[in-house]
Amino acid sequence: EAQVTQNPRYLITVTGKKLTVTCSQNMNHEYMSWYRQDPGLGLRQIYYSMNVEVTDKGDVPEGYKVSRKEKRNFPLILESPSPNQTSLYFCASSLSLAGVLEQYFGPGTRLTVT
Amino acid sequence: AQSVTQLDSHVSVSEGTPVLLRCNYSSSYSPSLFWYVQHPNKGLQLLLKYTSAATLVKGINGFEAEFKKSETSFHLTKPSAHMSDAAEYFCVVSDRVDMRFGAGTRLTVKP
Repeated sequence: EAQVTQNPRYLITVTGKKLTVTCSQNMNHEYMSWYRQDPGLGLRQIYYSMNVEVTDKGDVPEGYKVSRKEKRNFPLILESPSPNQTSLYFCASSLSLAGVLEQYFGPGTRLTVT
Repeated sequence: AQSVTQLDSHVSVSEGTPVLLRCNYSSSYSPSLFWYVQHPNKGLQLLLKYTSAATLVKGINGFEAEFKKSETSFHLTKPSAHMSDAAEYFCVVSDRVDMRFGAGTRLTVKP
């Protein structure tokens, strides 16, 4: 089944404790991205990747890191999480550039930072 | 720069009545436009997309949207609401690299 998977689905952590949210897609998509969803703000892009070893900042990259060592995986890293990073996070992928082609979304990761 | 405005944060309809979710966009290019639906505790699912072909786009579950360039609008409609349509809906505008989401419209369907 074609899908985007994220782990963990739920995470409660404390300020400053490094964490990684994994994202994997099995559709051989080139384009992958991370979003955070906050009430009243819709989805805002954190980082995106056009292909392996090619990443770029989205609208809200501060406090996050990403890497794209393999085509299928695009982990999101929070080196020192803070409470303002409490949010719902979505990973997405697309066959190519985001323009014409729709993105496929993972199920989301709900992160709480205390 | 692109932007999307969803004109209503919350819409409430009765089951069996029409649904209208409004979306205006701003883009310097010929954009692609999408509507996504998010059911509670679920990811986003594509409802329909416009990519410069027919201006009236039909999607899944009886939804459709009309691209009106003169009004820079891409409103989502459905003739008859069903209880299962209750969800959050996002209008999205995209050029080749930048995808912008609206703030979302929560649709409530009353029995």
